[in-house]
Amino acid sequence: EAGVAQSPRYKIIEKRQSVAFWCNPISGHATLYWYQQILGQGPKLLIQFQNNGVVDDSQLPKDRFSAERLKGVDSTLKIQPAKLEDSAVYLCASSSPSGPHGYTFGSGTRLTVV
Amino acid sequence: SQQGEEDPQALSIQEGENATMNCSYKTSINNLQWYRQNSGRGLVHLILIRSNEREKHSGRLRVTLDTSKKSSSLLITASRAADTASYFCATWETSGSRLTFGEGTQLTVNP
Repeated sequence: EAGVAQSPRYKIIEKRQSVAFWCNPISGHATLYWYQQILGQGPKLLIQFQNNGVVDDSQLPKDRFSAERLKGVDSTLKIQPAKLEDSAVYLCASSSPSGPHGYTFGSGTRLTVV
Repeated sequence: SQQGEEDPQALSIQEGENATMNCSYKTSINNLQWYRQNSGRGLVHLILIRSNEREKHSGRLRVTLDTSKKSSSLLITASRAADTASYFCATWETSGSRLTFGEGTQLTVNP
């Protein structure tokens, strides 16, 4: 089974620029998550989708972050404008609808804001 | 907000020794999971233990769960240099639909 695909793998931008990340979950996985992981810390949930609807975006800084999951398959996460403190690894994960169990994570996108 | 807290933050051992990492959490959970992350990579699911289980094994991994103390431990036996990574516990709350991660333990296994 193919894993969760994320791109790009790395991105370096200047502050105040915009950036977008892409995620393609495992086929058939209805739930998709975006996590932010700052160096030396654990992942923190930004947004959770169930199919193409948002389940939880309470931790998403909505003044600069946005995410969508059109057609309930792949998803994009955007930051505009980026700040220095947005430097982190952005992880996408998906899970099947069969109940609480392990996620499958993508390899992540490492963002550096300079 | 973070749910789990791992202890220790960092652990350095020799190859062949056992490594024990602990995790404490705050709320009622459906299950607790452990993940591994190699430097610069994504997280890999290691093991899941449900709230009605007390101990679970998978290869060289042994996980315990004490719901009365809201704590879990991960034991890696006969460690190898390749086990060097960060290990995270994550909880699935009873009322939730997502995992909440702790801050992780950085394990270094010296050859």
